[in-house]
Amino acid sequence: KAGVTQTPRYLIKTRGQQVTLSCSPISGHRSVSWYQQTPGQGLQFLFEYFSETQRNKGNFPGRFSGRQFSNSRSEMNVSTLELGDSALYLCASSPTSGQVTETQYFGPGTRLLVL
Amino acid sequence: TQLLEQSPQFLSIQEGENLTVYCNSSSVFSSLQWYRQEPGEGPVLLVTVVTGGEVKKLKRLTFQFGDARKDSSLHITAAQPGDTGLYLCAGEVDSSYKLIFGSGTRLLVRP
Repeated sequence: KAGVTQTPRYLIKTRGQQVTLSCSPISGHRSVSWYQQTPGQGLQFLFEYFSETQRNKGNFPGRFSGRQFSNSRSEMNVSTLELGDSALYLCASSPTSGQVTETQYFGPGTRLLVL
Repeated sequence: TQLLEQSPQFLSIQEGENLTVYCNSSSVFSSLQWYRQEPGEGPVLLVTVVTGGEVKKLKRLTFQFGDARKDSSLHITAAQPGDTGLYLCAGEVDSSYKLIFGSGTRLLVRP
């Protein structure tokens, strides 16, 4: 069974641009969560989607948005990029309910560098 | 804001030594998870603890959830170089499908 895949793996953008990151969950998984990981702030929750609906959101500005498609694939978008958005963006999928006591499987992440 | 503080931040030990990593908060969590992350990869779940006072063992790793469900510890016996990595604790917030992660403990086990 293929794991969680994220594309692209590496990305370089400049301030003011926008970026879209993609996450394909494990086949059959319906919940996808997104996290931002930086050396200073660690791993922070962005949002979680289940059956195309956002169920929970972290404390990030509106420049960060996401969506989920009917096949459970998810995208996140960051508009008007800032230097501080440089980070490793991780997505995680879980089988059914998305309860955190259910195992979440993380992808390898997309490393974004904003210049 | 719920925070999870991990200590120590960095740990460098010799193969065969024992170590304990701590995860503390002033908040109560519904459950707590421990992950290990290696460079270039996402975190991998090691264990989930749910009940206050719960102890779980995974080979040489022992995990404990505090009685009040505010803290947890990870103890590694006879550490091996393969244990090297970033250890993260994460607490579940009120069954809300979201995890609050600790700052992480970077462990290096020298052969």
